[in-house]
Parts: sequence; C-alpha cells; structure tokens
Amino acid sequence: QLQLQESGPGLVKPSETLSLTCTVSGGSISISGYSWGWIRQPPGKGLEWIGTIFYSGNTYYNPSLESRVTISVDTSKNQFSLKLNSVTAADTAVYYCARRPWVLGGHDQWGQGTLVTVSS
Amino acid sequence: DIVMTQTPLSSPVTLGQPASISCRSSQSLVHSDGNTYLSWLQQRPGQPPRLLIYKISNRFSGVPDRFSGGGTGTDFTLKFSRVEAEDVGLYYCMQATQFPYTFGQGTKLEVK
Repeated sequence: QLQLQESGPGLVKPSETLSLTCTVSGGSISISGYSWGWIRQPPGKGLEWIGTIFYSGNTYYNPSLESRVTISVDTSKNQFSLKLNSVTAADTAVYYCARRPWVLGGHDQWGQGTLVTVSS
Repeated sequence: DIVMTQTPLSSPVTLGQPASISCRSSQSLVHSDGNTYLSWLQQRPGQPPRLLIYKISNRFSGVPDRFSGGGTGTDFTLKFSRVEAEDVGLYYCMQATQFPYTFGQGTKLEVK
C-alpha cells in the first residue's frame, strides 16, 4: 500500500524559506507513469496546486508561485521536496503531497498534510 | 488559467435523498490526447482530499456506487443517488488537462 508522508518545520519566519519533504513508501518514486505534486490549503479555504514533478525530472509550477518555488526529487531516498522562498503570512497553509497516475488524471494518493505557519 | 466554478457553494441535503454538484470550466477540458482530465475530490473534516471520480465519470477504487460523475467539455456534475451521513464534507472539482491545474472553490455538503 503506497503511503506519502510530509515532513518539515511547522513554523517559518517571514522572508525565510519553507522546506518540506514528502517520503514515499510502499512503491518507487522513479517509475514512469506517475507525477508527484504539492497542493496547499490555507486555513478555512480551498485547494491550490503548487507544482508537479515528473519521473523524468521535468517540473511545472503555478505561475502565481513560480518565481519562489522549487520542486525536486531524490530517488535514492524515495522522496520529493518543496522549497518556497520569501514566505509571507499568505503562505500559511496545510501543505499536501500527492501522486498522480497519468492513466487516471486525478491525484489518487495523498499525504495527511502538514500545517506550516509563517510568523515571527 | 482555466477557472473552475462550482455551484452551489453550500448544499443542505436530507439523508437518503439525492443531491448534485455542478462544475463549469472556463474552457474545454478535452486534452489533445482525447481524454478529459476532470476529477472530483471529497474532503471530510480534518482529512486530506480523497479521489472519488477521475476522467469525468470513472469511480476510483473503493468509492461507493452512489457517487457518479458526468458531463462533457465544460460542464460537469457529481451526483449522489442518496446522501449518507458519511458524505458530509467538502467536494472539489479539479482539472488536470492544462497547467496550471486548478480547483473549483469547493461545495460544502451538509445535512439539513
């Protein structure tokens, strides 16, 4: 059974960098046919797609965040990561990592989510 | 960006009765490969989203058959044949046809 687990600091200071890791267990991150993404949800609000990385290493980001975001993959650790620079209070959210099989088109496996608060 | 608009934003329902949620996209979601990457997600309170429906009308593994999806092009619907207590929560449509992927605002399903 595939599982995804987000990890990282729950509190980040304004102007600093938010760094999260998603550890994938029960399956390999480096097989073709899947992409891996980050989605966030501010408290009490809806879902926002942040970006996606394919097994090839190609990345796609939300234009609203593109200048500040980097998603990378570490196949040796079966993990992928999110870095978001120059954070503000508006970046406070629950951050989810998720898998998207190409054949489904939808995200079929999600992590439990981790709340990141931006505050001094 | 493709804008996804859900209606209603809140839906009070009676248990055992049918219900439906609509989702409209600002442009066609038909991909160049012929597929339409419109999915529906359920989010129960305090839980991560869960995939219910993919490619308009395909129920994901383990999803009860009281959930059904339909539509074409730019207009899509999630239907409940009869609402059960465990269905209370938020429902989102999402398009993955074109980057950036975008979500509807969410519809809150609640019991009357």
